[in-house]
Amino acid sequence: AQSVSQHNHHVILSEAASLELGCNYSYGGTVNLFWYVQYPGQHLQLLLKYFSGDPLVKGIKGFEAEFIKSKFSFNLRKPSVQWSDTAEYFCAVRDDKIIFGKGTRLHILP
Amino acid sequence: DVKVTQSSRYLVKRTGEKVFLECVQDMDHENMFWYRQDPGLGLRLIYFSYDVKMKEKGDIPEGYSVSREKKERFSLILESASTNQTSMYLCATFRTLTEQYFGPGTRLTVT
Repeated sequence: AQSVSQHNHHVILSEAASLELGCNYSYGGTVNLFWYVQYPGQHLQLLLKYFSGDPLVKGIKGFEAEFIKSKFSFNLRKPSVQWSDTAEYFCAVRDDKIIFGKGTRLHILP
Repeated sequence: DVKVTQSSRYLVKRTGEKVFLECVQDMDHENMFWYRQDPGLGLRLIYFSYDVKMKEKGDIPEGYSVSREKKERFSLILESASTNQTSMYLCATFRTLTEQYFGPGTRLTVT
């Protein structure tokens, strides 16, 4: 069965640092890929998605992700983080159902 | 605007009670999902449904059942609530080739 692994459970960065959160899924074929964010006390929001086409996907709030098919990866990046990016981030993959990773807690120091 | 609503934001129940969590969507989507979210475990799929009266087990269906009598409504049922079912429950929906939309969640505490 399809699975998703997020490499980091907890990441702490200073403001203006660059961010990369890893995400790998277990097997290929046609997959749709997502990153969601959950700010403290709020519900899940979609950051970005990949269905097909350009493997570099731009999302909201300056986030982007790159789909690398050969590596089964969909890493999330942001060149310069802000304190307001403190949240939990979930990678997800969909084939016949949507499978989520366990999440990465990102803490940005002001 | 897309809407997924859940019947309660917070719920406290006693061990052994039967619990109903309701989810309603107004987007005419075929697919509906129930997840539970626990710290360090992410979102785990309990049940999902592709169509009315259809249901499929997710990764952790034990102790739960579901009902989908109408397209817009997907109910999660805890037949006999237990303390290990204390969690945040999230309902979600999507139509093919769209992103998934989440409800606000129900935080269930079983005492």
